[in-house]
Parts: sequence; C-alpha cells; structure tokens
Amino acid sequence: KAGVTQTPRYLIKTRGQQVTLSCSPISGHRSVSWYQQTPGQGLQFLFEYFSETQRNKGNFPGRFSGRQFSNSRSEMNVSTLELGDSALYLCASSLPLAALYNEQFFGPGTRLTVL
Amino acid sequence: AQTVTQSQPEMSVQEAETVTLSCTYDTSESDYYLFWYKQPPSRQMILVIRQEAYKQQNATENRFSVNFQKAAKSFSLKISDSQLGDAAMYFCAATLTQGGSEKLVFGKGTKLTVNP
Repeated sequence: KAGVTQTPRYLIKTRGQQVTLSCSPISGHRSVSWYQQTPGQGLQFLFEYFSETQRNKGNFPGRFSGRQFSNSRSEMNVSTLELGDSALYLCASSLPLAALYNEQFFGPGTRLTVL
Repeated sequence: AQTVTQSQPEMSVQEAETVTLSCTYDTSESDYYLFWYKQPPSRQMILVIRQEAYKQQNATENRFSVNFQKAAKSFSLKISDSQLGDAAMYFCAATLTQGGSEKLVFGKGTKLTVNP
C-alpha cells in the first residue's frame, strides 16, 4: 500500500505570494492532519480534516487554511507569505475517526522557503 | 498552557546499551493520549509507541518501552539493546484540548546518537 505523498517536495516563494501544498493520504484513510516544523518552534499542529470537515485547529493565523476533498486528498494554502513561514510542512493520515488519539502516518513533507 | 517538554536536546548511547529519553507534559485533563514518534535523518516520521492515559500498564513495543507516571505527568521512553538504526530525532507528543479544539502537541525533540 502506498504511503502518504506530498507535492511538491520543495518550493521557493517570495514574501507576499501565496502557496498551495497537496497531500494524498494512504488509501482508505479519511483523516488528514497538517503540521509545521521549524528549528525554532518545533512541530506545531495546524489542522485536522475528516470527511471534508475541519474538526480541529491549531493556533495559526487565518492566512493558513486547508480543505479536504471527497477522495480524502487535502490541500493547505498559505496566503501573504512571510519569511517566518519557511518550514517543513508535514501531512499525516489516519484511518480511524479519532485520528489524534491513534497512530498517524506521516508524509515526507514539503520544504517551503520564503525569500 | 498545556505543553510537552523534552529536557534533553541530545543524547548518545553505545550500541547494545540502554538509553532513556525524558518527557513531561502539563495538562488538566484526566484522559489523553501520549506518543513517541521517531524521525530518522531525511526519512519520514513513524510512531514508536502509544499510551492511553487511563491505562495504568506501561506500553511496550519490542525493545521500546515507556515509564508512564500519570501523577508526575511524566512519559519517558526506554530503548533497550540500542541499534545503529535507532539514531534519529525522537518526539514526545500528547493529544490535548486547547480552546475547545483537540490538537497533537509535540515536544521540541531529542536527537539520539548511537555509537558503534
């Protein structure tokens, strides 16, 4: 069974631009979560989707948004990019309803650099 | 604020020996879930072990075991018979509720080096 895939793997943007990252979960998984990983702040939870609905949300500004499609694939969008948005963005999928209580399977991440 | 703290930024261990990674957390909840995740260099993060807070028995997965002290809010990971492949960043995490929303809160991580 294929793992979680994320595209693109690397991305370079300039301040003020917007970016969309994509995540395809493991087949059959209906929950997708997003995380931001930086050297300074570590791993921080962005949001979690299940069956196209955002169920949980972290403490990020409204510039960070996401959505999930009927096939469980998910996208994350960041508008008006700032230098501090440079990070590794990780997507994780999970099978059960209570995703945050159970094992999550992580993708390789998208490395975003904001210049 | 509900937090997860890993006080050891780096640890090292000799191959075949035992090492313990520390983790403490702060929550007012009575029921929650705790995890240790491993992130090898340039590889994807994988679950090492999971503990349900309402279960008294410490979780064990082969060479990996935890020492869960609920009253002390401590959740340490013991790796026995360390192997070169255990070298990685280890993250402690807890499912906590903040502002009415659940989230997986991670510690800053411990970099484990295994010496041959």
